Amino acid sequence: AQKVTQAQTEISVVEKEDVTLDCVYETRDTTYYLFWYKQPPSGELVFLIRRNSFDEQNEISGRYSWNFQKSTSSFNFTITASQVVDSAVYFCALSPSSNTGKLIFGQGTTLQVKP
Amino acid sequence: DTGVSQDPRHKITKRGQNVTFRCDPISEHNRLYWYRQTLGQGPEFLTYFQNEAQLEKSRLLSDRFSAERPKGSFSTLEIQRTEQGDSAMYLCASSSGEWGYNEQFFGPGTRLTVL
Repeated sequence: AQKVTQAQTEISVVEKEDVTLDCVYETRDTTYYLFWYKQPPSGELVFLIRRNSFDEQNEISGRYSWNFQKSTSSFNFTITASQVVDSAVYFCALSPSSNTGKLIFGQGTTLQVKP
Repeated sequence: DTGVSQDPRHKITKRGQNVTFRCDPISEHNRLYWYRQTLGQGPEFLTYFQNEAQLEKSRLLSDRFSAERPKGSFSTLEIQRTEQGDSAMYLCASSSGEWGYNEQFFGPGTRLTVL
């Protein structure tokens, strides 16, 4: 079965705190891709990152960083020094090995950053 | 490039009526996806087109749902005999490339309310 689990439904932090959003996935495929998308209050999903199953290097982009660990089937997302504008729903998604590229999304984590 | 557009943005209909939604992908994107998102959940894959060919349909897509992409450009999603359970946000996304792992660009969605 292909599945993505985001166990944290809602997280609330105070501005400048660091926060980690968890993502655990299930797949039997050896080749797959993982994604994170942000859905701000305006509603439109915004792409953040894509990672393939053969690349376990962590990635940092500004205040954002991602930790991919195949051994635990996790692809966690950390925001350093959070800001109010980071408030949104964040989705982790899995694209299995079929060539369609369809995304299997987790339930999402709502992040609220308070000033 | 104006991004993915969807029309209408909101649709209210009575149970039993037919509705049709339109999606205009980013020009020259050969891949087009439809997803459905209900409140508090992640988007769920409905169907996928590569150019004008519909190559995958989810089991979620009952016989009342039909999608087309007649010239490989815009796409329509029709729901016949709507039911209250069809109330959701319908999202369209597009991407390019030979393989299905590229970033998908999402439209703003069409929110359907079935009374």
